[in-house]
Amino acid sequence: NAGVMQNPRHLVRRRGQEARLRCSPMKGHSHVYWYRQLPEEGLKFMVYLQKENIIDESGMPKERFSAEFPKEGPSILRIQQVVRGDSAAYFCASSPNAGSLRYEQYFGPGTRLTVT
Amino acid sequence: SQELEQSPQSLIVQEGKNLTINCTSSKTLYGLYWYKQKYGEGLIFLMMLQKGGEEKSHEKITAKLDEKKQQSSLHITASQPSHAGIYLCGADGKTSYDKVIFGPGTSLSVIP
Repeated sequence: NAGVMQNPRHLVRRRGQEARLRCSPMKGHSHVYWYRQLPEEGLKFMVYLQKENIIDESGMPKERFSAEFPKEGPSILRIQQVVRGDSAAYFCASSPNAGSLRYEQYFGPGTRLTVT
Repeated sequence: SQELEQSPQSLIVQEGKNLTINCTSSKTLYGLYWYKQKYGEGLIFLMMLQKGGEEKSHEKITAKLDEKKQQSSLHITASQPSHAGIYLCGADGKTSYDKVIFGPGTSLSVIP
């Protein structure tokens, strides 16, 4: 059973370009979370999605950032018109549908975005 | 909102020594998670604690959650260079699918 997969692992974009980060959750996992780790800062929650639904986007910047988890295919985190401050490691995590049981989140290796 | 503090911020120990990392919450902890992160890599899940007084061990790492469920400790016995990395504690809310709020991390270096 492959773990959480993210691609690309490294992404370089010029200011003003768009960045698309992909996350394939573990097989059988229907809950996807995106986190951002800025240089010298901790890991911060961005958004929580289930298939075709955004459940909690309280950590997402209001502008330029969007996320989706379509019925088919990976979850996508999109950053439009990137700025230098978007340079960070973006991690995706997934967890299984376990009803009321609490389950740990499994993390992918991350995508390191560099904006030049 | 919940905030987590970790101490110490960084730690350098000699190989073979024991060490403890603490995680303190401003609110009751419903689910407390310990992860390890190697530089430039993703997070590796270590342990999850839910009940007051709970204690779990895996190899040489033991994690405890206090009875009041506001503090957790991670103890490493006879540390090895492979234990080096950043240790993060995280907490989620009452519901099982809540987002995880992470502490700032503790950086551990183990000198051979």
